Amino acid sequence: EPEVTQTPSHQVTQMGQEVILRCVPISNHLYFYWYRQILGQKVEFLVSFYNNEISEKSEIFDDQFSVERPDGSNFTLKIRSTKLEDSAMYFCASKKGRAGDTQYFGPGTRLTVL
Amino acid sequence: DAKTTQPPSMDCAEGRAANLPCNHSTISGNEYVYWYRQIHSQGPQYIIHGLKNNETNEMASLIITEDRKSSTLILPHATLRDTAVYYCIVRVTGANSKLTFGKGITLSVRP
Repeated sequence: EPEVTQTPSHQVTQMGQEVILRCVPISNHLYFYWYRQILGQKVEFLVSFYNNEISEKSEIFDDQFSVERPDGSNFTLKIRSTKLEDSAMYFCASKKGRAGDTQYFGPGTRLTVL
Repeated sequence: DAKTTQPPSMDCAEGRAANLPCNHSTISGNEYVYWYRQIHSQGPQYIIHGLKNNETNEMASLIITEDRKSSTLILPHATLRDTAVYYCIVRVTGANSKLTFGKGITLSVRP
């Protein structure tokens, strides 16, 4: 069964550095999402992406965040200048496209900012 | 999206049915009920969803009351691997709508 994949599984970085988290959505899906989960807290929506543009973003998704679909398969989340509070699990999800279609999540990338 | 209320935790014996309740009294007509689960810190895993009718798949059954104000997820024969946090999410229909996760219910399956 097709699944969403994410790399790396764990990323350690120094505060102030840029990181890029990568996702390969399910191949025929058209809607893409990033969520994050700080340890012990709820899963929070960050951003949704369709037709090469952001459809919706949360208050968390400020100017230090950006998303891109650089080719036909990858979907990336860039954090320009990481802060300690960016330490979290980051989950990518994708959806085929029809209203009511299910979002499928990847296994996540654990980001640790030192 | 309508708010959902779930008890914080429950447990059940391995091999027995686990019935996980969810209240969504402010649900509106175009909102689906979705269930996901999360094992440890893994990515949320889709279980099942429904609008009005009861639904069943290979993982679980979803029973939605006639007034749609509450639902129950049933795992018919719980195993130790079903120990997880289960999220009941109500979502507006709409091609791009996000999922809003609450705290969920922690299900512990005991041997």
